[in-house]
Amino acid sequence: EPEVTQTPSHQVTQMGQEVILRCVPISNHLYFYWYRQILGQKVEFLVSFYNNEISEKSEIFDDQFSVERPDGSNFTLKIRSTKLEDSAMYFCASRAPTGPKEQYFGPGTRLTVT
Amino acid sequence: AQKVTQAQTEISVVEKEDVTLDCVYETRDTTYYLFWYKQPPSGELVFLIRRNSFDEQNEISGRYSWNFQKSTSSFNFTITASQVVDSAVYFCALRDSGSRLTFGEGTQLTVNP
Repeated sequence: EPEVTQTPSHQVTQMGQEVILRCVPISNHLYFYWYRQILGQKVEFLVSFYNNEISEKSEIFDDQFSVERPDGSNFTLKIRSTKLEDSAMYFCASRAPTGPKEQYFGPGTRLTVT
Repeated sequence: AQKVTQAQTEISVVEKEDVTLDCVYETRDTTYYLFWYKQPPSGELVFLIRRNSFDEQNEISGRYSWNFQKSTSSFNFTITASQVVDSAVYFCALRDSGSRLTFGEGTQLTVNP
């Protein structure tokens, strides 16, 4: 069964460094999302992406964040200058263009900012 | 703005007991979708079910059942004859006119042998 994959599974970085989190959505999906989950808290929406542009973003998704679909398979989240409070699990999700409305999530990347 | 409330932070049951996880939602939209996701200790988010706002039929899938009631804005989830493997955090989520999923705080379910 096709699934969303994410790399790396765990990333440790120093405050102020740039990180890129990578996702490969399910191949026929056209809607892509990033969410984050601070340890022990609920899952929070960051951004949605469709047709090579951001379709919706939350107040969390400020100028430090950017997303890109550099080729036909990858979907990336970049954090320009990481802060301690960016430490969280980051989930990528994708959804088919038609039919079921559910979003399928990847296994997540745990980002630790020291 | 949309909101999802899961009032039960933690529930602990003994194996084979039935357990119901509550979910109450708020939205101004007439068309929306409700979801349940399971997050086992390994951390991934596993899709369980989706309901459309115009379909109030309850659903049963094996030991799982869902009760959707628009009149009370609730979408509750029942596990019958719980098992240790059901131990996880369960999230209720809502998507209305936007593209985002709005999650509740989650309910930590612990099933003890």
